[in-house]
Amino acid sequence: EAQVTQNPRYLITVTGKKLTVTCSQNMNHEYMSWYRQDPGLGLRQIYYSMNVEVTDKGDVPEGYKVSRKEKRNFPLILESPSPNQTSLYFCASSFFHGQGVTEAFFGQGTRLTVV
Amino acid sequence: DQQVKQNSPSLSVQEGRISILNCDYTNSMFDYFLWYKKYPAEGPTFLISISSIKDKNEDGRFTVFLNKSAKHLSLHIVPSQPGDSAVYFCAASEWGGNQFYFGTGTSLTVIP
Repeated sequence: EAQVTQNPRYLITVTGKKLTVTCSQNMNHEYMSWYRQDPGLGLRQIYYSMNVEVTDKGDVPEGYKVSRKEKRNFPLILESPSPNQTSLYFCASSFFHGQGVTEAFFGQGTRLTVV
Repeated sequence: DQQVKQNSPSLSVQEGRISILNCDYTNSMFDYFLWYKKYPAEGPTFLISISSIKDKNEDGRFTVFLNKSAKHLSLHIVPSQPGDSAVYFCAASEWGGNQFYFGTGTSLTVIP
């Protein structure tokens, strides 16, 4: 079954304690990205990757890191989480070709609370 | 600055009637548009898309209309069903682009 898998689904952590949210896709997609969803703000892109070892900032990258060492995995790293990073996070993957990014497949989401 | 806007946070419609969800964009370079549907506790799922070479695209009960001069697109659901109750996001991209820009979402409730 084609899917994007994120873990964990729920996470409560304390300010400053490093954490990683994992994301894996089984569709051989070149393009992967992370979004956060906040009330009244919709989905905002944090980082994206067009292929292995190629990453770029989205609209709200501050406080986040990513890596793309393998095609299937795209972890999101919060080195020193702060309360304003409390949000619902989604990982997504798509094909990327000459005509650009195609429609995305999204993971189930990770609800992060930073206290 | 929000490049894609959905000005109606919520919409209620009777079962069997038409639901019309609206989306406006500001970037004239956008030429590929998508709608996603999101149920609670799930990720968004792709619904329908349209490129700027068309002004209409249909898929079953779902039709997307694009008015490039007005920088406006709309999603029509006919007839609406209770299972259509969800949050709908529109998204836009430049053809050949590497990012999608999402709207803030419209929560649709279809009343049985």
